[in-house]
Amino acid sequence: AQRVTQPEKLLSVFKGAPVELKCNYSYSGSPELFWYVQYSRQRLQLLLRHISRESIKGFTADLNKGETSFHLKKPFAQEEDSAMYYCALSGGTYKYIFGTGTRLKVLA
Amino acid sequence: KAGVTQTPRYLIKTRGQQVTLSCSPISGHRSVSWYQQTPGQGLQFLFEYFSETQRNKGNFPGRFSGRQFSNSRSEMNVSTLELGDSALYLCASTQSGGISTEAFFGQGTRLTVV
Repeated sequence: AQRVTQPEKLLSVFKGAPVELKCNYSYSGSPELFWYVQYSRQRLQLLLRHISRESIKGFTADLNKGETSFHLKKPFAQEEDSAMYYCALSGGTYKYIFGTGTRLKVLA
Repeated sequence: KAGVTQTPRYLIKTRGQQVTLSCSPISGHRSVSWYQQTPGQGLQFLFEYFSETQRNKGNFPGRFSGRQFSNSRSEMNVSTLELGDSALYLCASTQSGGISTEAFFGQGTRLTVV
């Protein structure tokens, strides 16, 4: 079964501390993995996707097929990073499977 | 370029009624997907349309249906509303619906069933 698991509902870190939002997936083929973010009162929007191998707003994510993980990392958290983060999987069936999301709170 | 537009933004309906939600995708986008967002379940896929054809459907009862028009606009209908249908319904559009394609989301329609 296709599944995305985000084990933390809430993650609180202090400004300047490193951040790691966990994402594990279950998929039998070769999935496409994404991170979407929803800032307060804004639309859900794409943060990054694994095929791009890019860093957006200081965030990076590496696909680890052995551990079936796609954790989102940032070395130094900023207050404006506070938002809801969703990990998503697309497996060639024209749909995204989303995790339940992790709320990141960056404390001053 | 205008973003994905969903109407109405808010709806209050009574149990047993039916409701129709509308989604206008970004111009040129031919794929429209619908999701139900609730605090406990996150985003759950409802269905996806491409060129007026439903290509995929999630695990929702038959009370949930949708359609897409020739201009790519999409509607979602929920019949015989239940209290548990209260949620934020999100629509997303992509240019071609390919698996690596970025999805652009609307602001959602918040449905409250009383």
